[in-house]
Amino acid sequence: GENVEQHPSTLSVQEGDSAVIKCTYSDSASNYFPWYKQELGKRPQLIIDIRSNVGEKKDQRIAVTLNKTAKHFSLHITETQPEDSAVYFCAASNGYALNFGKGTSLLVTP
Amino acid sequence: DAGITQSPRHKVTETGTPVTLRCHQTENHRYMYWYRQDPGHGLRLIHYSYGVKDTDKGEVSDGYSVSRSKTEDFLLTLESATSSQTSVYFCAISTGSDNEQFFGPGTRLTVL
Repeated sequence: GENVEQHPSTLSVQEGDSAVIKCTYSDSASNYFPWYKQELGKRPQLIIDIRSNVGEKKDQRIAVTLNKTAKHFSLHITETQPEDSAVYFCAASNGYALNFGKGTSLLVTP
Repeated sequence: DAGITQSPRHKVTETGTPVTLRCHQTENHRYMYWYRQDPGHGLRLIHYSYGVKDTDKGEVSDGYSVSRSKTEDFLLTLESATSSQTSVYFCAISTGSDNEQFFGPGTRLTVL
């Protein structure tokens, strides 16, 4: 089955800096890669996603890149703000379900 | 939040008792999922459904069963709860297996 590895497990940045979270996947048939943000005690919320026919997608301060050859994808957050502090999960779909990484706890300090 | 609710939101039960969690959606989405979330493990798929009466197992299905008799409801049953099933359970819905999934608010289950 699909295996998704996510790094780092924790990340601390200063407000205004950029944050990058990386994920790798094992199943070359995976074709959909969403990212979720989860605040403490809340449900995961979809923040951005990318499909295998696209190399990069951007939405304001958030961008995702996909390298199908290397089987890795990354989340980039620019100009970080304290409200970006949360746990972020990557996931990959191989056609029947999402397989999630174990999460990255991002802390943005003022 | 995508018209998805879960009940109960919190439950404390004892080892060996049966427990049923309910997921209800008003979006008429075909796919519904049950995940459990534990520290250090992220979200792991228990079971999913791709239509009424159509279900399949996920990564961590042992000890769990599901039923879907109506489009809007997906039930997760722990036939005989164990302490290892203490977790936060999330339901999710989707229009397709590789489309966006929207999550319910979660159920915190404690098995003593």
